[in-house]
Amino acid sequence: QVQLQESGPGLVRTSETLSLICTVSGGSINSYYWTWIRQPAGKGLEWIGRMFTGGSSTYNPSLMGRVTISVDTSRKQFSLKLSAVTAADAAVYFCAREGSTHIDYWGRGTLVTVSS
Amino acid sequence: QAVLTQPASLSASPGASASLTCTLRSDSNVANFRIYWYQQKPGSPPRFVLRYKSDSDKQQGSGVPRRFSGSRDVSANTGILLISGLQSEDEADYYCMIWHNNAWVFGGGTKLTVL
Repeated sequence: QVQLQESGPGLVRTSETLSLICTVSGGSINSYYWTWIRQPAGKGLEWIGRMFTGGSSTYNPSLMGRVTISVDTSRKQFSLKLSAVTAADAAVYFCAREGSTHIDYWGRGTLVTVSS
Repeated sequence: QAVLTQPASLSASPGASASLTCTLRSDSNVANFRIYWYQQKPGSPPRFVLRYKSDSDKQQGSGVPRRFSGSRDVSANTGILLISGLQSEDEADYYCMIWHNNAWVFGGGTKLTVL
């Protein structure tokens, strides 16, 4: 059974860079899209972006220029970096796998707070 | 105007049916999109329910009961998640999603209350 686990600081200072890692277990990291999605408290889901293993990345246009997703196949991890954070970036961040037909496996989510 | 619009809330009684709608912006024809539905309960990540484009292009989520079904109303440019025989465990937030202009886009979600 594929499992994803997010890790990283729960508190980020305004204007700094948010960095999260997702560790994949129970399955291959190759040949999938690896995805980040976030959810502000009490609000809906927002897709951040995705990267195909060893291939291209695609990002939400609203975050373009601030976001980078990368995949480390040797560690079976993928990461999210979001620069110049503001209070609007506070959310639960989910990592997820996009299988051949849909986004099928999700992490439990990690809460990131932004504070000055 | 948002790409996908969902009603914020919907209430229905146990045993009844609930029709959750996802209306596409007028520049996007529902007939051209696979609409994905996710269920989210408090404190949990979303769970894939089903995907629907047409009766010949659809997929049920693993372990999702057949009382969850998808459809569309082309005249209303709307995707529909129909839940029949409502149970208390169906109470959750439901999100629709499409691949639009090289990005995944979510609707704002509908909170389904079963009471």
